[in-house]
Amino acid sequence: NAGVTQTPKFQVLKTGQSMTLQCAQDMNHNSMYWYRQDPGMGLRLIYYSASEGTTDKGEVPNGYNVSRLNKREFSLRLESAAPSQTSVYFCASSEYKGNQPQHFGDGTRLSIL
Amino acid sequence: DQQVKQNSPSLSVQEGRISILNCDYTNSMFDYFLWYKKYPAEGPTFLISISSIKDKNEDGRFTVFLNKSAKHLSLHIVPSQPGDSAVYFCAALYTGNQFYFGTGTSLTVIP
Repeated sequence: NAGVTQTPKFQVLKTGQSMTLQCAQDMNHNSMYWYRQDPGMGLRLIYYSASEGTTDKGEVPNGYNVSRLNKREFSLRLESAAPSQTSVYFCASSEYKGNQPQHFGDGTRLSIL
Repeated sequence: DQQVKQNSPSLSVQEGRISILNCDYTNSMFDYFLWYKKYPAEGPTFLISISSIKDKNEDGRFTVFLNKSAKHLSLHIVPSQPGDSAVYFCAALYTGNQFYFGTGTSLTVIP
């Protein structure tokens, strides 16, 4: 019963490097999300995919790109990492986008030096 | 601008007593609310939800109350257990939009 799996769990990057965070869910959910969590702030939505083949910006999309590879997988890419992107990143999924709970992975802790 | 606020960063409660976690929101359009629980190094897990057409929802030891006029949400845990020690996030949504999360309240239940 894996649920939502994120890789890697930890990563340290240098400013300007690129990186892709991977997320996969095995619950046959249609919708997937990427959030970031920073100290003193709630989770903030970066991008979401309401269904396979669609992606949309959330609250804080600048500096990120996403790919909905298939129904199971939704990746987040940092093209040129900046120290302001140091954060804990959470992937989540839900059956549909809307009035229902989201299921979260355990997060990727990303530090950018 | 934080649309969902949890003004108490931490709360300590004796085992067996009631824990009350509070959440305030600013957007009157929000129509669905949830509470998540988070342990260190894990993702948030869903705890309980409530629709704006209700003012109370219960699930075992957990009850969520919604006061729409005050734009206030609370989570009651009775009785509190040491395993309830975690960070609790409230979240709010209005139909067709995204969830907005509070900053979390760290609950410690003292044995």
